[in-house]
Amino acid sequence: LAKTTQPISMDSYEGQEVNITCSHNNIATNDYITWYQQFPSQGPRFIIQGYKTKVTNEVASLFIPADRKSSTLSLPRVSLSDTAVYYCLVGDSPGGGNKLTFGTGTQLKVEL
Amino acid sequence: DTAVSQTPKYLVTQMGNDKSIKCEQNLGHDTMYWYKQDSKKFLKIMFSYNNKELIINETVPNRFSPKSPDKAHLNLHINSLELGDSAVYFCASSHGQVNTEAFFGQGTRLTVV
Repeated sequence: LAKTTQPISMDSYEGQEVNITCSHNNIATNDYITWYQQFPSQGPRFIIQGYKTKVTNEVASLFIPADRKSSTLSLPRVSLSDTAVYYCLVGDSPGGGNKLTFGTGTQLKVEL
Repeated sequence: DTAVSQTPKYLVTQMGNDKSIKCEQNLGHDTMYWYKQDSKKFLKIMFSYNNKELIINETVPNRFSPKSPDKAHLNLHINSLELGDSAVYFCASSHGQVNTEAFFGQGTRLTVV
């Protein structure tokens, strides 16, 4: 069972780039790495997913080193509205079922 | 149009009561889930259904019984509610079972008094 470890909290200022790193030492060969964002009183929302190297979309970039034992979510030029909890997940599919095991998440606080 | 909708959004009830939470998704997904988020914000999967068939049951008390009448609906019935059941319950859906993006509902805040 792949487990993830990420910082409990991070602080940043508007306009800065934020990098949140997640450790997943026991990642399996078939596992993907997925990041979700959760605002207060809302359900988690998918941000980005990758398997190796680098993935970029309109919201974020995901950097995955060759050994895949960690990953870094990069949020360019954050704003106040990026204040949320960010979860790193590693695909966990016992018997073919998608389990989406959430860790403790990282509370990102963006200030002016 | 809300992709994954849950009702009710808030539910306050007394210990010992039986209650249900409904979930519907209009995304055409074949897999649906129930998650529980406790006061410490820890999200834990409870159940997962694929094509109306139960595929994950995470050591949830028997008082919790999911029912999937069709692929678009996954309801959660809870018997004999206890104080410890107070939490936010999230329904989610995805296409396929492996490493796919899941869409979550807005959550149902259950308070047992």
